[in-house]
Amino acid sequence: QVQLVQSGAEVKKPGASVKVSCKASGYTFTSYGISWVRQAPGQGLEWMGWISAYNGNTNYAQKLQGRVTMTTDTSTSTAYMELRSLRSDDTAVYYCARDQTPSGIAAGYYGMDVWGQGTTVTVSS
Amino acid sequence: DIQMTQSPSSLSASVGDRVTITCRASQSISSYLNWYQQKPGKAPKLLIYAASSLQSGVPSRFSGSGSGTDFTLTISSLQPEDFATYYCQQSYSTLRHTFGQGTKLEIK
Repeated sequence: QVQLVQSGAEVKKPGASVKVSCKASGYTFTSYGISWVRQAPGQGLEWMGWISAYNGNTNYAQKLQGRVTMTTDTSTSTAYMELRSLRSDDTAVYYCARDQTPSGIAAGYYGMDVWGQGTTVTVSS
Repeated sequence: DIQMTQSPSSLSASVGDRVTITCRASQSISSYLNWYQQKPGKAPKLLIYAASSLQSGVPSRFSGSGSGTDFTLTISSLQPEDFATYYCQQSYSTLRHTFGQGTKLEIK
């Protein structure tokens, strides 16, 4: 079945970096984009960005530009999200999700249909 | 930045009720609007995409409508498993696919 499996929980100190992985299975990885969404404790959802698994094109949320990098490894059908210069307000559950929008149509139009289980990132001194 | 405002923020209803949640965009977003359901400790689930298209596998009691700036999610007859938090999300703006703040649907 189609699924996304994320890496395990992380605890980081302020100023450090974290890299979360998201391994896809059950579908052709390069046919869909991957979006990343995070949720701080008790808060709502925040879209972080999107990457095309076909050609590596990215769109990042403006507030995270310069701190976030999204990549893919098509040989292992895995997407990665790296966040640098971590702060306490980066503490959140981080989700990857498949964007089911076909290529040639604006990313996100058809929504995110398959989600990873979430990775808890805690930033604390 | 496109702001998404949902109303109400919370809602109490009974099984069998018809429920409507509203999402308003700060500028026109055409039909670039998706709806998600999230239960505690779980990942969100896509319900409606492109404003009014029902995602495969989602019960037909869920429906979406609207275009431009005003959108609605309607649940025609609430079931016990529908009590959750609902989010709208716009994808019109390339640099920020903003979510609404969420609507918590609770049992009356």
